[in-house]
Amino acid sequence: GDSVTQMEGPVTLSEEACLTINCTYTATGYPSLFWYVQYPGEGLQLLLKATKADDKGSNKGFEATYRKETTSFHLEKGSVQVSDSAVYFCALSVLEYGNKLVFGAGTILRVKS
Amino acid sequence: GAGVSQTPSNKVTEKGKYVELRCDPISGHTALYWYRQSLGQGPEFLIYFQGTGAADDSGLPNDRFFAVRPEGSVSTLKIQRTERGDSAVYLCASRSQSASAEAFFGQGTRLTVV
Repeated sequence: GDSVTQMEGPVTLSEEACLTINCTYTATGYPSLFWYVQYPGEGLQLLLKATKADDKGSNKGFEATYRKETTSFHLEKGSVQVSDSAVYFCALSVLEYGNKLVFGAGTILRVKS
Repeated sequence: GAGVSQTPSNKVTEKGKYVELRCDPISGHTALYWYRQSLGQGPEFLIYFQGTGAADDSGLPNDRFFAVRPEGSVSTLKIQRTERGDSAVYLCASRSQSASAEAFFGQGTRLTVV
């Protein structure tokens, strides 16, 4: 079945450091790819998405590029802030399967000032 | 309402009891999803409704779990004979009919079976 694997955390960075959270996927169809974020005490929010190969999703300084050849969708940010501390989930969905989301296990990011 | 609303936010129940979890989706959203998130893991799909009908219930773990959406809006997830392993956060999400539409999540119901 479809699956998502993302790097284990927690990831601890100093403010203004560069961030990369790796995500790879396996899918039988042609998936759309997502990064969701869960801030402390809040619900899941969509951070960014990409729906086809070579698309780049971006939001709030975060970016991820849909790489079909490596089945990857790594999350990057050039300079993290304390307010970016959260749990980040990589996910995929396939239209033919009702767009239900398949999530990775999540990566905790802690940013120190 | 402005977003997806789930009630209760917390539920503690004794092993063997029956529970109902409610989801009030964004008005006009035809698709509704239930997920379960165990501690330290990502959400796992349970069931998907398109309108009133369950289009995909392949994620329901066993026949103790059941969900309904009788009028195509509010949905209720029902768990019979609860077990300690059912303890988790149950998340609901809704989205509009457009194929590229974003799914919006509620805050979840934290179920604890003691």
